[in-house]
Amino acid sequence: DVKVTQSSRYLVKRTGEKVFLECVQDMDHENMFWYRQDPGLGLRLIYFSYDVKMKEKGDIPEGYSVSREKKERFSLILESASTNQTSMYLCASSLGVERGDTGELFFGEGSRLTVL
Amino acid sequence: AQSVTQLDSQVPVFEEAPVELRCNYSSSVSVYLFWYVQYPNQGLQLLLKYLSGSTLVKGINGFEAEFNKSQTSFHLRKPSVHISDTAEYFCAVSEVTGFQKLVFGTGTRLLVSP
Repeated sequence: DVKVTQSSRYLVKRTGEKVFLECVQDMDHENMFWYRQDPGLGLRLIYFSYDVKMKEKGDIPEGYSVSREKKERFSLILESASTNQTSMYLCASSLGVERGDTGELFFGEGSRLTVL
Repeated sequence: AQSVTQLDSQVPVFEEAPVELRCNYSSSVSVYLFWYVQYPNQGLQLLLKYLSGSTLVKGINGFEAEFNKSQTSFHLRKPSVHISDTAEYFCAVSEVTGFQKLVFGTGTRLLVSP
């Protein structure tokens, strides 16, 4: 069974702390994505990666960075957490263009981050 | 660029009643269409998808959706809902050409009561 695993389901951090959210997929997918989800706003794309060490900004990249050192792992980094980054963060992956990707995403369970 | 509109933020319905969740999209090229479901405190899982062929698509848990190209719609339906269908439903679209990046609607919360 395909699987996207997010390392932490719930985190509580303080303003100014550096936060790492980790995501691992076991499907050998080329593309990986980070979204944040807020009530009434749906899912908004933060960053995505189409290959190892490659990254592209999504719609709301400010305040975030990402790292993809290995194909299966995609990390989201909050350099200095702020209260307006309290949210649900969802990691997802997809096949990749050369493998007939339709855009279908496979999601992890989500990481709910609270910044105090 | 493509966009998705889910006009209903919340749909209350009684158990065993039929339900329709509306989705309209905008795109200048051909699209793939998806419906995802999210149960409380979980990630999203795929309900169904339209890639090509028959415009009526059947998915898991008794849901189906119909692609209507002229009305740029992809409404989700179920003839008889259960309490367990209470969840948030997201419609999403990707363009057939280029890098396939899903764009999501803002979601519709389905509330099924006894």
